[in-house]
Amino acid sequence: DTGVSQDPRHKITKRGQNVTFRCDPISEHNRLYWYRQTLGQGPEFLTYFQNEAQLEKSRLLSDRFSAERPKGSFSTLEIQRTEQGDSAMYLCASSLARGSLETQYFGPGTRLLVL
Amino acid sequence: TQLLEQSPQFLSIQEGENLTVYCNSSSVFSSLQWYRQEPGEGPVLLVTVVTGGEVKKLKRLTFQFGDARKDSSLHITAAQPGDTGLYLCAGVGTGFQKLVFGTGTRLLVSP
Repeated sequence: DTGVSQDPRHKITKRGQNVTFRCDPISEHNRLYWYRQTLGQGPEFLTYFQNEAQLEKSRLLSDRFSAERPKGSFSTLEIQRTEQGDSAMYLCASSLARGSLETQYFGPGTRLLVL
Repeated sequence: TQLLEQSPQFLSIQEGENLTVYCNSSSVFSSLQWYRQEPGEGPVLLVTVVTGGEVKKLKRLTFQFGDARKDSSLHITAAQPGDTGLYLCAGVGTGFQKLVFGTGTRLLVSP
């Protein structure tokens, strides 16, 4: 399978714990995006990387959230001191920036439940 | 803040019926995309419309981009149970390709 993969697919944690999610993009894709989707809503942009550089962060991304893409390949999203409001599906997407149009390919997501 | 409102939010129809989903915004987008998402999966791109007034057809699905590039519609002819899912429109701004997703339309097609 050469699509975007995310790990884990599901995570249940207790409030106050730290969690880390991983995203493996399609190889040769230089852009990587993180989105968050709560139940019944469309995804909301969190942050994006061009290669290893994090170029934009949404105001949704509080200080408890940090994302990295150390070698311009896989990315991690860490949430520290989780809160119940962090419960959501976290989606990763990758794309190959080429001209004015690009297609983002989404992974299956990591569903987080904070108890 | 760019917002995309979709209507209806929910739609439950019988196989063979036609339907239209609307996506409206007060903002202009450089292009607009439609996705379908199934439970437990990420969104999958159906189409990208770029030019105001553009119409694209994908088998039984017809997509239209408004003349002012602020709104779009998705029309499904003779819906089938396999069309069941969450349909999302997403506006694409200028510069980097951050997607602004709509509120979603959940479609259920019963046999």
